[in-house]
Amino acid sequence: GESVGLHLPTLSVQEGDNSIINCAYSNSASDYFIWYKQESGKGPQFIIDIRSNMDKRQGQRVTVLLNKTVKHLSLQIAATQPGDSAVYFCAENIKGSQGNLIFGKGTKLSVKP
Amino acid sequence: NAGVTQTPKFRVLKTGQSMTLLCAQDMNHEYMYWYRQDPGMGLRLIHYSVGEGTTAKGEVPDGYNVSRLKKQNFLLGLESAAPSQTSVYFCASTRLSEPQHFGDGTRLSIL
Repeated sequence: GESVGLHLPTLSVQEGDNSIINCAYSNSASDYFIWYKQESGKGPQFIIDIRSNMDKRQGQRVTVLLNKTVKHLSLQIAATQPGDSAVYFCAENIKGSQGNLIFGKGTKLSVKP
Repeated sequence: NAGVTQTPKFRVLKTGQSMTLLCAQDMNHEYMYWYRQDPGMGLRLIHYSVGEGTTAKGEVPDGYNVSRLKKQNFLLGLESAAPSQTSVYFCASTRLSEPQHFGDGTRLSIL
């Protein structure tokens, strides 16, 4: 299987519970943030994004919160399902960097049925 | 809609051999990227391109070359493979200020 999950922080939740995955970003000049989901053997898949002029954005079962004061980003997944089990990455885009993203090291989410 | 397609999916090389990884996107994106992913390291940018005929270095460019002769294709070359280049390689494409779309990766082992 995919070895991307080695040495990663792990969050284990019960099916049906809410999950919160946190990310600290590095640069105060970052103006765009993205959460990706990566399943074993697959490439990162876009979940939700948020721009720096917003504090909160909601999608289907997912919410992203941005706290620019402490440079913190979180992903909330409501009613977590076994299919949500994956590694989750946050990524930041520094303004003026030609779209280059800086990725966090990821958090592995395990959902217990 | 195929999105981003990477070929090959798997490859084993001997030290010193050369090879080219191909990335193709059908979304008419201007920007394309090559990353490598190693355990516990996240995704690290190797090279990127902001348009046909242009390339630039990322965080870890040494030992790799790239070419963007056509807008839809971005090639990553290893001229003389080394064991340290054993990794999973991902290609992505986007328009500026939009999320990057990723392929499913090429798993490369160098013996």
